Amino acid sequence: QKEVEQNSGPLSVPEGAIASLNCTYSDRGSQSFFWYRQYSGKSPELIMFIYSNGDKEDGRFTAQLNKASQYVSLLIRDSQPSDSATYLCAVNGEAGRRALTFGSGTRLQVQP
Amino acid sequence: EPEVTQTPSHQVTQMGQEVILRCVPISNHLYFYWYRQILGQKVEFLVSFYNNEISEKSEIFDDQFSVERPDGSNFTLKIRSTKLEDSAMYFCASSDLRDRATSYNEQFFGPGTRLTVL
Repeated sequence: QKEVEQNSGPLSVPEGAIASLNCTYSDRGSQSFFWYRQYSGKSPELIMFIYSNGDKEDGRFTAQLNKASQYVSLLIRDSQPSDSATYLCAVNGEAGRRALTFGSGTRLQVQP
Repeated sequence: EPEVTQTPSHQVTQMGQEVILRCVPISNHLYFYWYRQILGQKVEFLVSFYNNEISEKSEIFDDQFSVERPDGSNFTLKIRSTKLEDSAMYFCASSDLRDRATSYNEQFFGPGTRLTVL
């Protein structure tokens, strides 16, 4: 059973701070990793994807992947109240498979 | 910016009735997906579809479910005889064909259809 684990939170950070969201996955053959943002009652919105070990930066977001530790994280710099949402980690399996396995999400609250 | 659209936004049905949920994927995408999210739970994969056939499906996607691409733009999910436990948000997603041999594919989700089975 492939699992993706996230701390449910809430993670509360003050406005302007760095929010750090973490995710672990059980399938060592996983190839690709995604972060989605989901506002309450809305659909998942893709914000970052990463395929190789290391860091990937896009604006205020940095995704970090460590395949040896089966760990992926998302850093949000200069957090804004509008970043308050649930952040979903999603993982693809081995090559050729496209089904995403989602974690339960971490709820982020950015305090003004 | 192109986006996935879904209709209806909310569907209420009686247990045992058939429902069809509709999706229009992003126009140049070739892979299509259905996911569902029961209230307060994880997003769960149901099925993926490529080249007019199912490429993967989960244990949830049993004989009560079917998918179809009836024309060049629509992608549908049919539930033949709905049960109370089918009540959920159903999301359609699509991705383009970056490389069929890998799993590198960014999936973009539609706004969802809320299905309520009474």
